[in-house]
Amino acid sequence: QLQLVESGGTVVQPGRPLRLSCEASGFPFSSYGMHWVRQAPGKGLEWVAVIWYDGSSKYYADSVRGRFTISRDNSKNTLYLQMNSVRVEDTAVYYCARVGVRNHWYLDIWGRGTLVSVSS
Amino acid sequence: HSALTQPASVSGSPGQSITISCSGSSSDIGGYNYVSWYQQHPGRAPKLVIFDSSNRPSGVSDRFSGSKSGNTASLTISGLQAEDEADYYCNSYTSSSALVFGGGTKLTVL
Repeated sequence: QLQLVESGGTVVQPGRPLRLSCEASGFPFSSYGMHWVRQAPGKGLEWVAVIWYDGSSKYYADSVRGRFTISRDNSKNTLYLQMNSVRVEDTAVYYCARVGVRNHWYLDIWGRGTLVSVSS
Repeated sequence: HSALTQPASVSGSPGQSITISCSGSSSDIGGYNYVSWYQQHPGRAPKLVIFDSSNRPSGVSDRFSGSKSGNTASLTISGLQAEDEADYYCNSYTSSSALVFGGGTKLTVL
């Protein structure tokens, strides 16, 4: 069964770091690129970042570039999002999602999300 | 990169058809054939319903269809059913090697 499970969401103070994880199962993780997408409470979806299947390319939204880092460990079937210097506006549910079979620019499998709350 | 523009809400009666528009620019929708659409029920993760502008993933009802003309993409749902009531988001690849979402459209089945 294709599955993505996010973890690591918690309450964190502004300016502090936080790392999210996304464990994949049911498909060859090392063959697929992966995305992070977030959704602030009551708001719409916002794309965060993408990483190629082998980690060779990474792209970020302007709102997180320079603060967030996407990475992966294919030996552990796990995707990461390192969040540094978090801000109140980073409060959201963070979803990881798999790229489609045909190209990197649609998301065909989504996790259930993990909630990050940035508050002092 | 600015968000794509969708109507905040649309509605229709069971059995009817509705269309949700998604407006962008030549730097996103108009420049590439990488438009996708997602359905999200309250408290649930998004679900892919259309990719590459007009392709439907296996398992998605053929009542869902997508199209693109110039800088505007559209999602049409025919034979509306109560279970279609949800939020719908369009998404496009951009010239910045990024993705951008629309603001979302709340579909109400009357």
